[in-house]
Amino acid sequence: DIQMTQSPSSLSASVGDRVTITCRASQSISNYLNWFQQKPGKAPKLLIYAASTLQTGVPSRFSGSGSGTDFTLTISSLQPEDFATYSCQQSYGIPFNFGPGTTVDIK
Amino acid sequence: EVQLVESGGGLVQPGGSLRLSCAASGFTFSSYSMNWVRQAPGKGLEWVSYISTGSTTVYYADSVKGRFTISRDNAKNSLYLQMNSLRDEDTAVYYCVCYYDSSGLRYFQHWGQGTLVTVSS
Repeated sequence: DIQMTQSPSSLSASVGDRVTITCRASQSISNYLNWFQQKPGKAPKLLIYAASTLQTGVPSRFSGSGSGTDFTLTISSLQPEDFATYSCQQSYGIPFNFGPGTTVDIK
Repeated sequence: EVQLVESGGGLVQPGGSLRLSCAASGFTFSSYSMNWVRQAPGKGLEWVSYISTGSTTVYYADSVKGRFTISRDNAKNSLYLQMNSLRDEDTAVYYCVCYYDSSGLRYFQHWGQGTLVTVSS
């Protein structure tokens, strides 16, 4: 099975900050890496697929990069509505494991 | 508008059974593979099961293999998860998820709002 790790597990940031979250796969997954945003009590929302493609309707301050085993999610200027938990997921193979999540809260 | 609406969750005793349903609308259900994903209280997301468009291929997480059965009825635009021999650790919100798989792209595109399953005596 492909294991997914994320760092940091949580971070505190201010509105306007640039935020970077890292995701690592235990083996190469090419670009089969997706990012989700989840707010308390809500379903996850797809932000980025194929490592760097923004889902329709997602603000351009979100971006993704990486290939192989190392990936990043960047929020260029954090907005109040961005405080949430972010999870990566590999869709390279079964089981479709998720990372443990990174919680972004207000400093 | 794509809608996935789960139902069937509730409180069940350990060892019991429950059947979850997911009603799909707003897209051609029969053209999409589907998944169940769960999230235990305060925990991360866990993939549970996958079913192909024609039900010919199914996969399960090791944690549920032999106890859960995924199925679908394309005529009714519905996805199901039969859960047997439930354990405390199966307590979670269960999400129905539409899987996009085409042109070299694979991702979980649309999610339902989830249904809570609580296993407790």
